[in-house]
Amino acid sequence: RKEVEQDPGPFNVPEGATVAFNCTYSNSASQSFFWYRQDCRKEPKLLMSVYSSGNEDGRFTAQLNRASQYISLLIRDSKLSDSATYLCVVRSPGGNQFYFGTGTSLTVIP
Amino acid sequence: EAGVAQSPRYKIIEKRQSVAFWCNPISGHATLYWYQQILGQGPKLLIQFQNNGVVDDSQLPKDRFSAERLKGVDSTLKIQPAKLEDSAVYLCASRAGEGYLYEQYFGPGTRLTVT
Repeated sequence: RKEVEQDPGPFNVPEGATVAFNCTYSNSASQSFFWYRQDCRKEPKLLMSVYSSGNEDGRFTAQLNRASQYISLLIRDSKLSDSATYLCVVRSPGGNQFYFGTGTSLTVIP
Repeated sequence: EAGVAQSPRYKIIEKRQSVAFWCNPISGHATLYWYQQILGQGPKLLIQFQNNGVVDDSQLPKDRFSAERLKGVDSTLKIQPAKLEDSAVYLCASRAGEGYLYEQYFGPGTRLTVT
């Protein structure tokens, strides 16, 4: 079983829409979770960290459900500039290894 | 602050040839990672260094891949001999420390095409 699983999409949404991505992880002892953004042919960059019950940053909300072992990312009022691949990342418990999902592709359409 | 530097940015080689990639992490970052990202997939960890010591190389194909970080600063990743399935982007990342607050910073990657 993979450490991290994501729906690869693609998600094609109109500007202004709300879109949500989910990600599941296999190791129940995992403590740290992240969402990274990767633009086409660029390196991944940290979008948000998710530590306890979730957090919000402007139009972006990340949530963690430990019981079901999933993490979600909600993007409200989508912008054209939000078009990218969103990678779910889980840090190994007690270690420094980071496991990446396959990424979810988002295209925001004018 | 300068970011993670990688070179070359692009490399095309024939199968069975050798290739080497170089990474210079952010100054002072003790932890360095090499990832392989195949098109359409997320990055997969190949090897992790803490200073000049290897922390995890369980997913490194050791029959053909090798990596070193001799002085605990920059690092090289080598493939010898290359196979077609090694075509990917090789990403280097670094972190300042081990705690959960420390973010990973990625370099621009080296895009390898094996023909």
